[in-house]
Amino acid sequence: AQRVTQPEKLLSVFKGAPVELKCNYSYSGSPELFWYVQYSRQRLQLLLRHISRESIKGFTADLNKGETSFHLKKPFAQEEDSAMYYCALIPADRGSTLGRLYFGRGTQLTVWP
Amino acid sequence: DAGVIQSPRHEVTEMGQEVTLRCKPISGHNSLFWYRQTMMRGLELLIYFNNNVPIDDSGMPEDRFSAKMPNASFSTLKIQPSEPRDSAVYFCASSFAGYSNQPQHFGDGTRLSIL
Repeated sequence: AQRVTQPEKLLSVFKGAPVELKCNYSYSGSPELFWYVQYSRQRLQLLLRHISRESIKGFTADLNKGETSFHLKKPFAQEEDSAMYYCALIPADRGSTLGRLYFGRGTQLTVWP
Repeated sequence: DAGVIQSPRHEVTEMGQEVTLRCKPISGHNSLFWYRQTMMRGLELLIYFNNNVPIDDSGMPEDRFSAKMPNASFSTLKIQPSEPRDSAVYFCASSFAGYSNQPQHFGDGTRLSIL
């Protein structure tokens, strides 16, 4: 069965420091992986998807199939990055899931001034 | 596109009352998802539909919860009777699921408080 693990419930860094939010997954097939961000009392918004291989708001994430990880990184954190971050997976080679996302439990990032 | 539209944004009601949450998905999307978010349990998938048909309702907590999708542009989540432990933020999301699964787009949520 597919599973997404975010080992850190809370993560705090100072402004300007590098930040890495960890995400590990278990799935035997080919997953599609995403990072969603939720700012305080707002909707979840798509931040990144691995197939796009893009950088959004300075964040990047690389899919490492050997380590089954999709960690989110930013070299210099900003105060406005403070939010809840969710890693999520779609089992892309199983059409029967019909777009269902499997979410991790989320990591609350706080960036101190 | 206006995105996924949920109503109401806030709902405060007394326990025992019926609560109906509404969702309009993005036009052209064929999958719709209802989630509940609480501090204790995080983000939980309650039920999802594809082409207006319920696919998996195993996340619905109990029989007091029901969801319908009468057409491609509208869905409801109903709680009857409501209880204080139902207090949460309820999100609706939609996506296009096909050969290539597209990411889900979320609405702003309904913040529900049961007194």
